[in-house]
Amino acid sequence: DVKVTQSSRYLVKRTGEKVFLECVQDMDHENMFWYRQDPGLGLRLIYFSYDVKMKEKGDIPEGYSVSREKKERFSLILESASTNQTSMYLCASSLSPLEGHSGANVLTFGAGSRLTVL
Amino acid sequence: GESVGLHLPTLSVQEGDNSIINCAYSNSASDYFIWYKQESGKGPQFIIDIRSNMDKRQGQRVTVLLNKTVKHLSLQIAATQPGDSAVYFCAEREYGNKLVFGAGTILRVKS
Repeated sequence: DVKVTQSSRYLVKRTGEKVFLECVQDMDHENMFWYRQDPGLGLRLIYFSYDVKMKEKGDIPEGYSVSREKKERFSLILESASTNQTSMYLCASSLSPLEGHSGANVLTFGAGSRLTVL
Repeated sequence: GESVGLHLPTLSVQEGDNSIINCAYSNSASDYFIWYKQESGKGPQFIIDIRSNMDKRQGQRVTVLLNKTVKHLSLQIAATQPGDSAVYFCAEREYGNKLVFGAGTILRVKS
C-alpha cells in the first residue's frame, strides 16, 4: 500500500559529493514536493513541481536542484554536498487544487531519507 | 505548540486521558489548515483538516478547533492511546498550493 517511495532510507556521503535522492509516487498526482526536516525547525520546503519539467523554488532552495522528467518521479540533487545539508529529507505529492476542494492540498509523504554528510 | 530553540514542546498524558495539542499560525490570510502525525521512522501522515470558514471539525477520536481571532489551532485527541505517541505538526495554506508547517509537538502517552 506504499504510495510515495523514497529509494534510499539512509545515506552517508562525503563533503563535495553529488547526491541524488529519488522519489516515486503511484497516485498520478500532479504536484510533488521536497522538504527537509530538522529538529525544532519543522518541515521546510526546498523545491516543488506542479507538472512534468516544471519546478519552483521553495523557502530554502540554495544548494539544491530538482528534476521532474516524468510525472511520477521527482529527484532532489545536491550538486556538492556540505555538512549543513545533513538532515532528514521528505518527499510528498498531492493532487492539484480544485475549486472548493480543500482536500486536494493534503500531502502524502514518503518515509524519508536520512542523509549524513561527513 | 511554540518551539524553543531546538527543543520541541512535549505533552505527556496518561493513557485514556484526552490530549490537546496547540498551534499558533502566522498568516491571518491562511484559508486551510491540516494536522499531521509523524511516528518514529515514518513520514508525516494526514489526520484531519479544516477550512477557515469553519471553527470546528470532528473525526474519529480527533477534533480540530480553529480560532481565527487569535490565529490559534488545536487538535484534541479523545481517550489517548499508546499508538498516539508521535510528533504532531500543524500546517497552514498561505497561498496557492503551498503549506507552511509548524515546528511540531511531541505527544508521549504513559501507560
